[in-house]
Amino acid sequence: KAGVTQTPRYLIKTRGQQVTLSCSPISGHRSVSWYQQTPGQGLQFLFEYFSETQRNKGNFPGRFSGRQFSNSRSEMNVSTLELGDSALYLCASSLVANLGSRTKQYFGPGTRLTVT
Amino acid sequence: AQTVTQSQPEMSVQEAETVTLSCTYDTSESDYYLFWYKQPPSRQMILVIRQEAYKQQNATENRFSVNFQKAAKSFSLKISDSQLGDAAMYFCAYRSSILGTYKYIFGTGTRLKVLA
Repeated sequence: KAGVTQTPRYLIKTRGQQVTLSCSPISGHRSVSWYQQTPGQGLQFLFEYFSETQRNKGNFPGRFSGRQFSNSRSEMNVSTLELGDSALYLCASSLVANLGSRTKQYFGPGTRLTVT
Repeated sequence: AQTVTQSQPEMSVQEAETVTLSCTYDTSESDYYLFWYKQPPSRQMILVIRQEAYKQQNATENRFSVNFQKAAKSFSLKISDSQLGDAAMYFCAYRSSILGTYKYIFGTGTRLKVLA
């Protein structure tokens, strides 16, 4: 079974531009969550989608948005990029949104975004 | 507000020995989940083990086990028979169980070195 894939793996953008990152979950998984990892802020939760609905959102400005499609693939968009948006963006997939009950969660390799 | 503290930035363990990574958290909620994640040099995050707060029994996953002390708000990870492949950053995470507005908080991480 193929793992979680994220595209692109590396991206360089200029301040003020916008960017869209993609995450394809493991086949059959309906929940996708996104995380930002930076040296300064560490790991932070961005949002979580289940069956095309945003279930939860972290404390990020409105410039960060996402969506999930009927095939469970998810995209996240960052508009008006700032230097501080440079980060590793991770996505994870699971069968269901509830991570209790031994639900397995699998991460993708991440997208490294550099904003210059 | 919920917080997660990992007070050990770095730890070392001899191969085949046992090591314990510490994590404390603060919350006023009674129901929540706690997680340990591993991030090897490849940066691909792996969910190692989880604990539901309502369960008194400590979770175990093969060589990984936790010591969950709910009253003390402590959640340590014990790695037995350490292997070279265990070398990684380990993150402790808290997630409340209330869907829709839950908080998902990560600690700053502990870098584990395994010595041959």
